[in-house]
Amino acid sequence: GQQLNQSPQSMFIQEGEDVSMNCTSSSIFNTWLWYKQEPGEGPVLLIALYKAGELTSNGRLTAQFGITRKDSFLNISASIPSDVGIYFCAGQLSGTYKYIFGTGTRLKVLA
Amino acid sequence: DGGITQSPKYLFRKEGQNVTLSCEQNLNHDAMYWYRQDPGQGLRLIYYSQIVNDFQKGDIAEGYSVSREKKESFPLTVTSAQKNPTAFYLCASSISTTGELFFGEGSRLTVL
Repeated sequence: GQQLNQSPQSMFIQEGEDVSMNCTSSSIFNTWLWYKQEPGEGPVLLIALYKAGELTSNGRLTAQFGITRKDSFLNISASIPSDVGIYFCAGQLSGTYKYIFGTGTRLKVLA
Repeated sequence: DGGITQSPKYLFRKEGQNVTLSCEQNLNHDAMYWYRQDPGQGLRLIYYSQIVNDFQKGDIAEGYSVSREKKESFPLTVTSAQKNPTAFYLCASSISTTGELFFGEGSRLTVL
């Protein structure tokens, strides 16, 4: 099956630093979703994007839908220890039911 | 509270046994999905359903079966034909086949 290229795979940062991660694909998507998942739990939806070029914020999180509709990025500003977890993207292929998922970015925040 | 409820959270099975994972949603969503999550991989689609009494195979349907007799419920059976069933299973739903996708808490199946 298809997967999105998500980078970086992991990040170790100091508390207070900003974080950026992105997903790219050769396919065109009509929706981008960003999730956070903690060990043993289900993913929690953070941000949903529906239009090319759209920039959406949710507190310290900001995500953008790439203009080509083939990529998206997520920024976290002023990271705190509770930001620790795995973040992953999902794109919905245009005209289909199907969501394709990134392999995740593991974030660790050092206090 | 509105949401998606999966049960059981942990399940152990002997080889050769079928097991059924429950998924119930009270969000009035039309579409429901089952995904499998393995370490280092993205989520992979097992089955999905757009409406009651209809479902479609995903990318890795072999060894699994589902039913959709009610809008709220989409149980997944992991059969003995599934060669490597130990995994974390996630149920999800969306109001239609476009838009936001919400997940349950997951069920971890371990085959002994």
